[in-house]
Amino acid sequence: AQTVTQSQPEMSVQEAETVTLSCTYDTSESDYYLFWYKQPPSRQMILVIRQEAYKQQNATENRFSVNFQKAAKSFSLKISDSQLGDAAMYFCAYRRNNDMRFGAGTRLTVKP
Amino acid sequence: SQTIHQWPATLVQPVGSPLSLECTVEGTSNPNLYWYRQAAGRGLQLLFYSVGIGQISSEVPQNLSASRPQDRQFILSSKKLLLSDSGFYLCAWSTSYEQYFGPGTRLTVT
Repeated sequence: AQTVTQSQPEMSVQEAETVTLSCTYDTSESDYYLFWYKQPPSRQMILVIRQEAYKQQNATENRFSVNFQKAAKSFSLKISDSQLGDAAMYFCAYRRNNDMRFGAGTRLTVKP
Repeated sequence: SQTIHQWPATLVQPVGSPLSLECTVEGTSNPNLYWYRQAAGRGLQLLFYSVGIGQISSEVPQNLSASRPQDRQFILSSKKLLLSDSGFYLCAWSTSYEQYFGPGTRLTVT
């Protein structure tokens, strides 16, 4: 079974600084998708970024970028120029067809 | 644009009572639909998904069931709630790639 592991239950970053959230996953498949979702206190799940496993180029969305290491099954999220509004739970997710697995989440605190 | 609705937003139910949570999607046809549960401080657990009307796949054996009576309607039910059914329930629909989530229902079983 595919599993997703986020080894950092909590992380903290100073406003305007950069933070990296870690994620590893386990799969025997070669074709899949990886995602980072943000869940603010409202509990609405918001898609942050998507990575296709067949693409070698790391995905980037404005201040958010990933470091996708397929052989190592690693998928970290880098948030640059952190803002107070980035404070939230962040979930890493793996998807193949209708099988979607989430990590336990990392709570990010942004200090002013 | 697509919109996903869930209701109710909050629900408090006694043990042994029935449950019905509803999810509807607007702005798309024949979406794949999903029900997730999120326990406090935890990640999301996939409960059910549906690829079409009347087609339900269960991921985890439990006290819950799901139905899809219409193309864009997905219902989560229980005949008798357990304390362990408490949690935050999220409905989602998907494109070929991403899943988009509704606002969720907070269920407390007392």
